[in-house]
Amino acid sequence: DIVMTQTPLSLSVTPGQPASISCKSTQSLLHRDGKTYLYWYLQRPGQPPQLLISEVSRRFSGVPDRFTGSGSGTDFTLKISRVEAEDIGVYYCMQSIELPQTFGQGTRVEIK
Amino acid sequence: QVHLVQSGAEVKKPGASVTISCKASGYSFPAYAIHWVRQAPGQSLEWVGWINADNGNTKYSKKFQGRISVTRDRSASTAYIKLTKLTSEDSAVYYCARSYFDFWSAPTPWGQGTLVTVSS
Repeated sequence: DIVMTQTPLSLSVTPGQPASISCKSTQSLLHRDGKTYLYWYLQRPGQPPQLLISEVSRRFSGVPDRFTGSGSGTDFTLKISRVEAEDIGVYYCMQSIELPQTFGQGTRVEIK
Repeated sequence: QVHLVQSGAEVKKPGASVTISCKASGYSFPAYAIHWVRQAPGQSLEWVGWINADNGNTKYSKKFQGRISVTRDRSASTAYIKLTKLTSEDSAVYYCARSYFDFWSAPTPWGQGTLVTVSS
C-alpha cells in the first residue's frame, strides 16, 4: 500500500497568518493519463471529511481561494494564505492512484 | 442536493456482525459508486471497500477480505456494508461517500458517519 506522510501533525496559527502542510507519498501519484491523484480533505470537529482540493491543485466547489494545493510526483503541499477561525480541524491528504486509497495521519490546525 | 444518510450507532459484542446502511438522495444512485471508509477513535481514515451502484461490482481492502460484504439496493438507493467476526479493533466511525465509478476520483460528499462500538 502507498503510505502518505504528513508534516507537521499539528499547527497553532494566529488568525490572518499563513499555514502550510506537507504530504509525501511512498510512490509517485502521477498516473499514465497525466493526472496526479492527490486530494486534500478537512475534517471539522464532529463532522465527516469534506473535500477541499482535487488532483493536487483544483479547489472543490465553494472552497475559498485562500486554500492552495501544489506539488508533483511524491511531494505535495497545502497552503492557507490567511487562516480563519472556520479553518480549524484536521487536514488529510489522500491518494487514489491505486487501491486501497490511503490517507495521511492528519494535521490538526488550531487557532492561537 | 446530494445527501448520504447513514443508519444509527451500533453496539456489538466480539464475534458478532454489523450491517450499516447508507441511503442516497439528490442524485441518480446507479450513476455513481459508494466508498466505505472508517475512522477509529483519534485515528486517521482507513479505506474499507467500494461498490459500483450500477452493476454491484465491489472492491475490498485486503485487510477485511473474508469478513466484509458491500451490497446495494438500487430500488432503495441504499448501500450497505456488513462486517462479520467483529473485534474491539473494529470499533470506529464508518462513513460512506459517493464517487464516480473510477477509483481515482475523490469520494465526496460523505455521510454523517455511523459509530460502531465492539465491547463485551
